[in-house]
Amino acid sequence: AQRVTQPEKLLSVFKGAPVELKCNYSYSGSPELFWYVQYSRQRLQLLLRHISRESIKGFTADLNKGETSFHLKKPFAQEEDSAMYYCALIAVTGGGNKLTFGTGTQLKVEL
Amino acid sequence: SAVISQKPSRDICQRGTSLTIQCQVDSQVTMMFWYRQQPGQSLTLIATANQGSEATYESGFVIDKFPISRPNLTFSTLTVSNMSPEDSSIYLCSVEGAWTYNEQFFGPGTRLTVL
Repeated sequence: AQRVTQPEKLLSVFKGAPVELKCNYSYSGSPELFWYVQYSRQRLQLLLRHISRESIKGFTADLNKGETSFHLKKPFAQEEDSAMYYCALIAVTGGGNKLTFGTGTQLKVEL
Repeated sequence: SAVISQKPSRDICQRGTSLTIQCQVDSQVTMMFWYRQQPGQSLTLIATANQGSEATYESGFVIDKFPISRPNLTFSTLTVSNMSPEDSSIYLCSVEGAWTYNEQFFGPGTRLTVL
């Protein structure tokens, strides 16, 4: 069965400091990975996906199959980055795509 | 993108009663999902709501406890039956369409408290 691990429940950084939110996965198939974000009082929304290989709001994430990781990075944290971040993996099953979430990391950017 | 609404947004219910949560999408979608997010926990998939057939439940979730309907491509309901305090959670609806390329769009959630 697939599994997504986010080791940090809370990550606190100062504004302007680099950010790295860790995500590791286990899945026997070919993974498709996502980062979802939930800002205060807003609904959960997609931040980025590995197949896009794009930077969203300054965030990037590279899939490392050797280390089974998909860490989220940003070189300079901004106050508006404070939010809950979830790493997620899609497993293609007979019943369709099933999204498995990690436990989430609360990012707090301090001034 | 898809705009998703859920009703009610929150409710406080008595033990032993049932609550039906509605999920409405502004466009036709192929897949609709129901998740539970217990306090301090991550999202757990309850079931996939299939249009025109029975929902597909994940391990640990059963139809008698969480009956689901999906009468068309834009609407689904989740009922939490015979509630206990352990059912206190946020329940989320999400959708995926053929045009979303595996991205799921989430509703605002229903915050349920069972006394």
